Amino acid sequence: KAGVTQTPRYLIKTRGQQVTLSCSPISGHRSVSWYQQTPGQGLQFLFEYFSETQRNKGNFPGRFSGRQFSNSRSEMNVSTLELGDSALYLCASSPSIRPGSRGETQYFGPGTRLLVL
Amino acid sequence: AQRVTQPEKLLSVFKGAPVELKCNYSYSGSPELFWYVQYSRQRLQLLLRHISRESIKGFTADLNKGETSFHLKKPFAQEEDSAMYYCALRGQGGSEKLVFGKGTKLTVNP
Repeated sequence: KAGVTQTPRYLIKTRGQQVTLSCSPISGHRSVSWYQQTPGQGLQFLFEYFSETQRNKGNFPGRFSGRQFSNSRSEMNVSTLELGDSALYLCASSPSIRPGSRGETQYFGPGTRLLVL
Repeated sequence: AQRVTQPEKLLSVFKGAPVELKCNYSYSGSPELFWYVQYSRQRLQLLLRHISRESIKGFTADLNKGETSFHLKKPFAQEEDSAMYYCALRGQGGSEKLVFGKGTKLTVNP
């Protein structure tokens, strides 16, 4: 089974621009989550999607948005980029939202490293 | 609020020595606890989960609800264990959201 893939792997943008990152989950996985990883803040949850619906959102400004398509692929968008948005953006997929069941957890992609100049 | 604390940013041990990476959590319900590992230039990957009560690569972790801890232990560290280790918590309610600690960088010296 192919793992979670993310494109692009590296990106350089300037302040004020916008960026779109893409994530393809493991085949059959319907839940996709996004995280921001920075040296100072560590791994922080951005949002979570299941069946094209946003289920949860972290404490990030409205400039951060995302969506999920019917094939479970997901994109996240950051508008009006700021220097502080420079980070590794990780996508993770899991089979399903757990309605009380346990055992599975998320599988992470390699990340997209975004540098904002 | 869910919170995970890893008090040690850096931990250095010698090969063959025991190692313990600390993790404390704050959560009002019954959480699921995980340890993730990130080796140099590799993606974040699941090491073990408390629910499985398994030993992976010689590592074990026991959930102590009284002390709200989920420390990761290995009796004899190996050089290949050098990596970043993240403790993570998932709460109830059907969400896949993981709350991570800041991580501990383990270095195993020869």
